Amino acid sequence: NAGVTQTPKFQVLKTGQSMTLQCAQDMNHEYMSWYRQDPGMGLRLIHYSVGAGITDQGEVPNGYNVSRSTTEDFPLRLLSAAPSQTSVYFCASSYSDNTDTQYFGPGTRLTVL
Amino acid sequence: AQSVTQLGSHVSVSEGALVLLRCNYSSSVPPYLFWYVQYPNQGLQLLLKYTSAATLVKGINGFEAEFKKSETSFHLTKPSAHMSDAAEYFCAVTYGQNFVFGPGTRLSVLP
Repeated sequence: NAGVTQTPKFQVLKTGQSMTLQCAQDMNHEYMSWYRQDPGMGLRLIHYSVGAGITDQGEVPNGYNVSRSTTEDFPLRLLSAAPSQTSVYFCASSYSDNTDTQYFGPGTRLTVL
Repeated sequence: AQSVTQLGSHVSVSEGALVLLRCNYSSSVPPYLFWYVQYPNQGLQLLLKYTSAATLVKGINGFEAEFKKSETSFHLTKPSAHMSDAAEYFCAVTYGQNFVFGPGTRLSVLP
């Protein structure tokens, strides 16, 4: 049981480039979410999904897209990277919704030059 | 706007001393409240959560938190700090479909 996995662990992009951060869970959880962590600001919710085929915006969705074609996978796409998107990104999953315990991946550290 | 505040971005205690990390939230309805811990270069893991069953919640590693509705607080305590408790601690609240974290408190434990 691997839990929540994220790839890559580190990534450097140039402004304007696009990329996808991968997230997968093997716990058959319905709820998945993406957060970004910035110093002094805690974690902020980017997008979330309550099940396959259903996604919605969180607090800071601009510049990011998500999809949920399977229960296991929840990729986060940066359409045109900007320096303001330099951050650490965490994916999390929980059994049914955000009132359940969320299990976090190890994070992806992204730098946009 | 809904918010979570944590008083003190950095708290230092001596090993064996009481740990008190403060959390206040803004909400007009009883929320679900959480404390998560983040060890260096790792993801977050749940310490404890409040779901209205009891106002005093016990979590892992000897931590507990008390929900006080009149003060809109959910402070985290541990009677005796251990070196392994050094980490960053986040209070978090559900607001409908949104999940809001506080800014975090870094706990240092001095020998």
